[in-house]
Amino acid sequence: QVQLQESGPGLVKPSETLSLTCTVSGGSIDSYYCNWIRQPAGKGLEWIGRIYSSGSTNYSPSLKSRVTMSVDTSKNQFSLSLRSLTAADTAVYYCARESVGTTTFDKWGQGSLVTVSS
Amino acid sequence: DIQMTQSPSSVSASVGDTVTITCRASQDISSWLAWYQQKPGKAPKLLIYAASSLQSGVPSRFSGSGSTTDFTLTISSLQPEDLATYYCQQSNSFPLTFGGGTKVEIK
Repeated sequence: QVQLQESGPGLVKPSETLSLTCTVSGGSIDSYYCNWIRQPAGKGLEWIGRIYSSGSTNYSPSLKSRVTMSVDTSKNQFSLSLRSLTAADTAVYYCARESVGTTTFDKWGQGSLVTVSS
Repeated sequence: DIQMTQSPSSVSASVGDTVTITCRASQDISSWLAWYQQKPGKAPKLLIYAASSLQSGVPSRFSGSGSTTDFTLTISSLQPEDLATYYCQQSNSFPLTFGGGTKVEIK
């Protein structure tokens, strides 16, 4: 059974960079899209972008200038980096596996709360 | 970007009732629509993809319909465990976008 788990610091200072890792267990990440989605407290879902196991990416235009995604197939891990943080980036960040050929998300991590505060 | 508009924003219904949630896309997305259920404090869960295909393991009381710009999620015979917020998501084009959510409460 494939499982995804986000990890990273829960508190980051304004203007700094957030780094999150999504570790996949129970299966290989080959031929696999990992999406990053965030959700501010009490609000809706926002798609940040996705990365394929080969390293190709698609980013949301609203975040593209601040986002970098990467993959380490040897560790079965995907990573998200978000720069120049503000309080508006405070949210639960999810990684989610994309169901093949559908651009929908059939497996999600439990989420990682990131608070941007000094 | 394709805007997704859900209605209502919240609904309260009794166990056994049928609940209908609608989602409208700002442009034609064919059948590229998914529905998710998010229970409090949990990650979303995929219910429906391609507008009407039921994800494996999802109870058959959940169903989806629609195409182009107008879509519906129906919960037949509402159960207490269906307390959650439901989101639609267009999977037609980037950036992928979600509706604002519909909170389903049990009377």
